[in-house]
Amino acid sequence: EAQVTQNPRYLITVTGKKLTVTCSQNMNHEYMSWYRQDPGLGLRQIYYSMNVEVTDKGDVPEGYKVSRKEKRNFPLILESPSPNQTSLYFCASSSGQGGGYTFGSGTRLTVV
Amino acid sequence: GQSLEQPSEVTAVEGAIVQINCTYQTSGFYGLSWYQQHDGGAPTFLSYNALDGLEETGRFSSFLSRSDSYGYLLLQELQMKDSASYFCAVSFNTDKLIFGTGTRLQVFP
Repeated sequence: EAQVTQNPRYLITVTGKKLTVTCSQNMNHEYMSWYRQDPGLGLRQIYYSMNVEVTDKGDVPEGYKVSRKEKRNFPLILESPSPNQTSLYFCASSSGQGGGYTFGSGTRLTVV
Repeated sequence: GQSLEQPSEVTAVEGAIVQINCTYQTSGFYGLSWYQQHDGGAPTFLSYNALDGLEETGRFSSFLSRSDSYGYLLLQELQMKDSASYFCAVSFNTDKLIFGTGTRLQVFP
């Protein structure tokens, strides 16, 4: 089944404790992105990648890091999480313009 | 700045037709997409307009007019399962994607 898999689904952590949210796709897509979704603000792009070793900042990159060492994986790293990063996070992948993005099931992160 | 405006909420009855508008203040984008998101779920891709005009996919159609900085999603023969949030989004040549704030559609029997 074609899908984007992100883990974990739920995570509660403490301020300053580094964490990684994993994302993997099995569709051989070149494009991958991370979004956060907050009430009233919609979906905001954090980082995107057009290919292996190519990443770019989206609208809200502060406090996040990404890497794209393999085509299928695009992990999101929070080096020092803060409470304002409490949010619902989505990873997504696409074959390119017009193809639309396939989203993962989401990761609900709470930073206390 | 770049922004996409959508009505926050729309209500309709089963079997009706509803139009969700998306007006934007951005330029140089490749195309306008629409996504559906049910409560607790992930966004799912509905349609994409690279060119001006109407794109039809079953009960859903999407329209884009670059000269009017405007697009819309048209949902026909509404069903209860269409109750969800709908987002428009513009994409750029770098694959940067900007989403609208979303429209919550409630379909009543």
